[in-house]
Amino acid sequence: EMVLTQSPGTLSLSPGERATLSCRASQSIAGNYLAWYQQKPGQAPRLVIYGVGGRATGIPDRFSGSGSGTDFTLTLSRLEPEDFAVYYCHHYGASPAFGQGTKVEIK
Amino acid sequence: EVQLVESGGGLVQPGGSLRLSCAASGFNFSNYWMHWVRQAPGKGLMWVSRINDHGSGTRYADSVQGRITISRDNAKKMLYLDLHSVRAEDTAVYFCARPMATIRGAFDIWGQGTMVIVSS
Repeated sequence: EMVLTQSPGTLSLSPGERATLSCRASQSIAGNYLAWYQQKPGQAPRLVIYGVGGRATGIPDRFSGSGSGTDFTLTLSRLEPEDFAVYYCHHYGASPAFGQGTKVEIK
Repeated sequence: EVQLVESGGGLVQPGGSLRLSCAASGFNFSNYWMHWVRQAPGKGLMWVSRINDHGSGTRYADSVQGRITISRDNAKKMLYLDLHSVRAEDTAVYFCARPMATIRGAFDIWGQGTMVIVSS
């Protein structure tokens, strides 16, 4: 069973700062089947990154994803007010799994 | 417009049953494997189940295996999730989700969710 561990649990930053979110998998992820979602209170998750580094439709280029094997990163180069939310990584393998989430909050 | 709309949530007593529905529109539903994901209050996302395009293949998270049944009606463009012998820990918002690619992909389309509360 795949387990995804995200860190940190909470990231307190100011608008304009850089955010770096980590997702570590318990097993190597093949096929680049790793995605990131943004979720705001009361809303459904929104796909941000797919295939490790592909930006979903409408996602600005300040969002980028990288990594391989068991270690993956979501980077927000310059935080905008609308970026403060919870972010989840997701392995969409044969048995999908989500990380527990990282909250990006305003400092 | 590509859309998923869930319904059927509500209050159910422990040990009871409930059927959740997800109506799809704006895309060729019968080509896509489909998923259910849930989120307990204040908690993270948990993948629950998936069904293949024909409805002949299903998979479940270990924690719900045997108590939840996923099914679909391609003619009606409907996805279902039957909850049986519900427990307090089944209390959650249940989302249906569609992958980007027809068989396997990141979930690019989500419904708005339907809330299930298990309580006496």
